[in-house]
Amino acid sequence: ILNVEQSPQSLHVQEGDSTNFTCSFPSSNFYALHWYRWETAKSPEALFVMTLNGDEKKKGRISATLNTKEGYSYLYIKGSQPEDSATYLCAFGNQFYFGTGTSLTVIP
Amino acid sequence: EAQVTQNPRYLITVTGKKLTVTCSQNMNHEYMSWYRQDPGLGLRQIYYSMNVEVTDKGDVPEGYKVSRKEKRNFPLILESPSPNQTSLYFCASSLLRTYPEDTQYFGPGTRLTVL
Repeated sequence: ILNVEQSPQSLHVQEGDSTNFTCSFPSSNFYALHWYRWETAKSPEALFVMTLNGDEKKKGRISATLNTKEGYSYLYIKGSQPEDSATYLCAFGNQFYFGTGTSLTVIP
Repeated sequence: EAQVTQNPRYLITVTGKKLTVTCSQNMNHEYMSWYRQDPGLGLRQIYYSMNVEVTDKGDVPEGYKVSRKEKRNFPLILESPSPNQTSLYFCASSLLRTYPEDTQYFGPGTRLTVL
């Protein structure tokens, strides 16, 4: 079992604030890093797949970066909205080792 | 609509009473897997299947069985459930697991309580 860590564990921000959180993973034998968004009572939904060092992906106000040499990925949300409230999960490797997630609450 | 379905969505049962949680996908995916999610822990893989009749243990397989007789279905079987199997279970599928870009699509989850 590989160690995948996410921080912070939870986050409360005001509507309109920008925020970011981290996924840390082993820096050796990198395969892929997946980001998921998981709303309560729904299925985890794929956001990004990161495969190359230096990758930057963007979808609307959400973007992600990848540093495979140092073993981390950042997820950024610009101008947070209440509908962004969810748990954000990262999964590392071919076997999808998941972190424990960052729970984001956006306060109107 | 492309989707992964699970049934039942909620189940309360008693210790020792065999149960099956069904999982079905309509995307012709070869890879399917089961996870459990517990508070404070990430999603942990129970079993996975690379294709029909090919199944393998994940990180927490004890107390579970699976079968893959058809490509679309991947049931999770608890022969003798115990309270420590109370959890939220997710089924997931992906086209293949050969390429890094292959992402997994998740079912809606099954919340199981074993008394």
